Amino acid sequence: DQQVKQNSPSLSVQEGRISILNCDYTNSMFDYFLWYKKYPAEGPTFLISISSIKDKNEDGRFTVFLNKSAKHLSLHIVPSQPGDSAVYFCAASAQGSNYKLTFGKGTLLTVNP
Amino acid sequence: EAGVAQSPRYKIIEKRQSVAFWCNPISGHATLYWYQQILGQGPKLLIQFQNNGVVDDSQLPKDRFSAERLKGVDSTLKIQPAKLEDSAVYLCASSAPGTKPNNEQFFGPGTRLTVL
Repeated sequence: DQQVKQNSPSLSVQEGRISILNCDYTNSMFDYFLWYKKYPAEGPTFLISISSIKDKNEDGRFTVFLNKSAKHLSLHIVPSQPGDSAVYFCAASAQGSNYKLTFGKGTLLTVNP
Repeated sequence: EAGVAQSPRYKIIEKRQSVAFWCNPISGHATLYWYQQILGQGPKLLIQFQNNGVVDDSQLPKDRFSAERLKGVDSTLKIQPAKLEDSAVYLCASSAPGTKPNNEQFFGPGTRLTVL
């Protein structure tokens, strides 16, 4: 039972353009959402997060949008840079589960120069 | 600040053999996590420690997997005996004290296990 779904295994964009990575969830108890970035042979690193009481959180080139009614969130990267090429994982947690992280399968982003 | 350390980085074993992984979290981080990441999947939590106590081990296959965190610092994860389906990257992560949602988890580089 995949509670966090990233339906696009891969995404390719041109440098300078916007990258949009999508994530859907099924568990309505999730109240906190995170994006992690992973380079090959390294562990995931935290990128940005959003609480369920907000619908947008911005940090530099990265913005996460949350649509609770649709159980959907997205990560926008503007402008995209070649160094952003990595696997991006969406993760969700719930207060009632000790904020245990449930991850999606990830989306491989390739930013072409 | 030193990150989460894991060893070994790679391990190849035959099925039915035993294997152990070691993790040294970031200094002062009370919470430690072990994840299993199978190729093409996201990380799946196996066990969470708070200091040296287990908070969550609901997804740990206890018939073959065991983990301990002596003295609330380093941790070891053991598989005995290993099966082919245990081939995965085993990630260790740690976070600062507390259970707030924005307690960022810091991940180590992982141990890639191949079971033949």
